Amino acid sequence: NAGVTQTPKFQVLKTGQSMTLQCAQDMNHNSMYWYRQDPGMGLRLIYYSASEGTTDKGEVPNGYNVSRLNKREFSLRLESAAPSQTSVYFCASTEGTSSAGANVLTFGAGSRLTVL
Amino acid sequence: QKEVEQNSGPLSVPEGAIASLNCTYSDRGSQSFFWYRQYSGKSPELIMFIYSNGDKEDGRFTAQLNKASQYVSLLIRDSQPSDSATYLCAAGGPDTNAGKSTFGDGTTLTVKP
Repeated sequence: NAGVTQTPKFQVLKTGQSMTLQCAQDMNHNSMYWYRQDPGMGLRLIYYSASEGTTDKGEVPNGYNVSRLNKREFSLRLESAAPSQTSVYFCASTEGTSSAGANVLTFGAGSRLTVL
Repeated sequence: QKEVEQNSGPLSVPEGAIASLNCTYSDRGSQSFFWYRQYSGKSPELIMFIYSNGDKEDGRFTAQLNKASQYVSLLIRDSQPSDSATYLCAAGGPDTNAGKSTFGDGTTLTVKP
């Protein structure tokens, strides 16, 4: 059981370039999330998808777009990368039901992005 | 003011001691609270979650929640060097979107042999 898989693990971009971070989960979870983590800080929510076919903005959505391709996959796109987007990006998923413990986040291994 | 505040740290305790990690939250609508552990260069992993006022114990870990004071804590008994990590406190909503939790900046714990 792989859990949450993110690709790529590392990426270096030049300012203005675009890229897509891919995320897939095999736990049949309903909800998926993209967080970013800057050095010495906690995680900040970029976008989330409560269920297949829906996406919503989180705390820091500017400069990003997302696609919930199907129940398993949730991608994050940077259209024109900026140095301020240098960060570690984590994809996560939850069962997304109302039962206790169903909203525990399961994280991918992270994608370290550097924008020069 | 951040929505979730944690001890600024770093926190250092000797092996075998009790480590106490504290967290306060500002949104009274928060209903679910999580403690995640993050080793350097790794992704966060869940230690415990708590929804109800009071204590919840799991092995060496005890989470405490006081909704009136908007306070959450994590106690680690018999601390081990392997407990050295950053601990993230998170507060989530009452509904199925509680996964869109708000995180504190984390407290780094070092357990010295």
